Amino acid sequence: EVQLVESGGGLVQPGRSLRLSCAASGFTFDDYAMHWVRQAPGKGLEWVSGISWNSGSIGYADSVKGRFTISRDNAKNSLYLQMNSLRAEDTALYYCAKWKDSGHETWGQGTLVTVSS
Amino acid sequence: DIQMTQSPSSLSASVGDRVTITCRASQSISSYLNWYQQKPGKAPKLLIYAASSLQSGVPSRFSGSGSGTDFTLTISSLQPEDFATYYCQQSYSTPPTFGPGTKVDIK
Repeated sequence: EVQLVESGGGLVQPGRSLRLSCAASGFTFDDYAMHWVRQAPGKGLEWVSGISWNSGSIGYADSVKGRFTISRDNAKNSLYLQMNSLRAEDTALYYCAKWKDSGHETWGQGTLVTVSS
Repeated sequence: DIQMTQSPSSLSASVGDRVTITCRASQSISSYLNWYQQKPGKAPKLLIYAASSLQSGVPSRFSGSGSGTDFTLTISSLQPEDFATYYCQQSYSTPPTFGPGTKVDIK
């Protein structure tokens, strides 16, 4: 069974950092690009960042560029999101998602990040 | 960035109804259009990719059509489990932007 499990969320003060992880199983991880998508409470979906299978191509939303860094470890079947200089507007449920056929084919259950003093 | 709009923002329908949701892109995206379903407290689920291709395991009452800038998602006969929020997404260019969503609830 294809599975994505996010972790690392929590309550953090503005300006601080947090690192999210996503553990993948049930598929050949290094065959696929992976993305992070977030959803603020009661709001819609916002793409955050994506990384190609070999980390050769990386993209970020303008809202997080320069503050967030995506990475992956294919040997560990894991995806990461390093989030620095966090702001209140970064408060959201963060999903990792497998990218296939130009769509987010599989999603994790999400990890909640709350930025508040 | 390509902007995506959806209409209506919400609708009320009955079981058995035919439901159509419209999505429009701010520029041509060919057929790079996906549809997702999200139920409360759950992760989104891919229903349709490439405008009209049904994702594996998705019931055939769901269908998608369109190309260029205008797209539709149709549910041919609404079932109780279909009450949810539906999002379109363009995958033509980065960032892959989502529409604001259409909430389908029970009449």
